[in-house]
Amino acid sequence: QKEVEQNSGPLSVPEGAIASLNCTYSDRGSQSFFWYRQYSGKSPELIMSIYSNGDKEDGRFTAQLNKASQYVSLLIRDSQPSDSATYLCAVNPPGGYQKVTFGTGTKLQVIP
Amino acid sequence: DGGITQSPKYLFRKEGQNVTLSCEQNLNHDAMYWYRQDPGQGLRLIYYSQIVNDFQKGDIAEGYSVSREKKESFPLTVTSAQKNPTAFYLCASRGIYTATNEKLFFGSGTQLSVL
Repeated sequence: QKEVEQNSGPLSVPEGAIASLNCTYSDRGSQSFFWYRQYSGKSPELIMSIYSNGDKEDGRFTAQLNKASQYVSLLIRDSQPSDSATYLCAVNPPGGYQKVTFGTGTKLQVIP
Repeated sequence: DGGITQSPKYLFRKEGQNVTLSCEQNLNHDAMYWYRQDPGQGLRLIYYSQIVNDFQKGDIAEGYSVSREKKESFPLTVTSAQKNPTAFYLCASRGIYTATNEKLFFGSGTQLSVL
């Protein structure tokens, strides 16, 4: 089982809709969770970080964490064509305090 | 400006050759990382370092080597033992002495291709 799993997509949503991206992780003791956005040929950039169960909102983005079910999700409200990118879920697994493991990423396409 | 610099942007390797990718940061970060990204794939961890003169293998360390002689620098050598080195290589860094883990700062990447 991979440490961090994501659906590779592509996930296509119409402009203005809500995009929902999901990520599951295998190590129950993981403490820190991150969503990065990566445009083609560019470096990833941090969108959201979340450490506690529940929701965390920042503008059009909401990160949701459920440690009991071992999943973290990212909701993008009012999706824009500029949101079209690959979204990478990253997790700090237990045991290696500084190790950061990424999922394979979900490609999001927002259709105008 | 503070940041993390990777060089070169493009690199070509001949059969049997070792090549070294440079990564330098002036953010005073303790932790540094090397990731490999294949087309349409996520980031896979090669090596990471939490402190000078110490580093840990990631998930795909075979065929790679690193050094951490200075806090600012974390070069990656792709050895001839790495039979499929063509990929996009990303270096990253972050601070570690915080209440919650800080985000990763990424360099602009190096595209390595085999001649």
